[in-house]
Amino acid sequence: GAGVSQSPSNKVTEKGKDVELRCDPISGHTALYWYRQSLGQGLEFLIYFQGNSAPDKSGLPSDRFSAERTGGSVSTLTIQRTQQEDSAVYLCASSSQGPEQYFGPGTRLTVT
Amino acid sequence: AQKVTQAQTEISVVEKEDVTLDCVYETRDTTYYLFWYKQPPSGELVFLIRRNSFDEQNEISGRYSWNFQKSTSSFNFTITASQVVDSAVYFCALSEAWESNYQLIWGAGTKLII
Repeated sequence: GAGVSQSPSNKVTEKGKDVELRCDPISGHTALYWYRQSLGQGLEFLIYFQGNSAPDKSGLPSDRFSAERTGGSVSTLTIQRTQQEDSAVYLCASSSQGPEQYFGPGTRLTVT
Repeated sequence: AQKVTQAQTEISVVEKEDVTLDCVYETRDTTYYLFWYKQPPSGELVFLIRRNSFDEQNEISGRYSWNFQKSTSSFNFTITASQVVDSAVYFCALSEAWESNYQLIWGAGTKLII
């Protein structure tokens, strides 16, 4: 079956602009995670969604970051007023009921 | 506090050599999960294995084996008879499930060059 998909694969934006990153989880997976992978910070958790419950936003680095998940499936991560330090690969993962997470190919964000 | 340490930043071996990637973790929880992921040059993270804290059995899958020791808080990964396709960055990760949130705490990764 299809894995986790993310779009776009690459995004270059100017400092100060807003960006939206999309994640399509594996069909039937109720849990969805966003992570960020950057040279300076390594891999870090951003946000977690489980079904229709309120998300765990404890990893979001600032209030410029937000995410939503519509209909318990597709998720969008939005970064407002992008800064150069937001440049990273943004990874989405989904899982069914257990702890294993399956990752998408990521979106490489470059803020110029 | 939770932490995962992969002390080896980069390892270079000759093809067919055996190689062990080290992982040491810190957690106060009694129930937790440990993982290894592979990140080849293409960039996608590939799940390799999960171990539960209550199951210390070592596991072998083909050329891969994992040694979990709670006494030393270690979860090491050995590749036997390494091949060029094993070249990748390998990440060890820890999850302390809280209300079904299995968010991963990652090590810094070990780059393996074959």
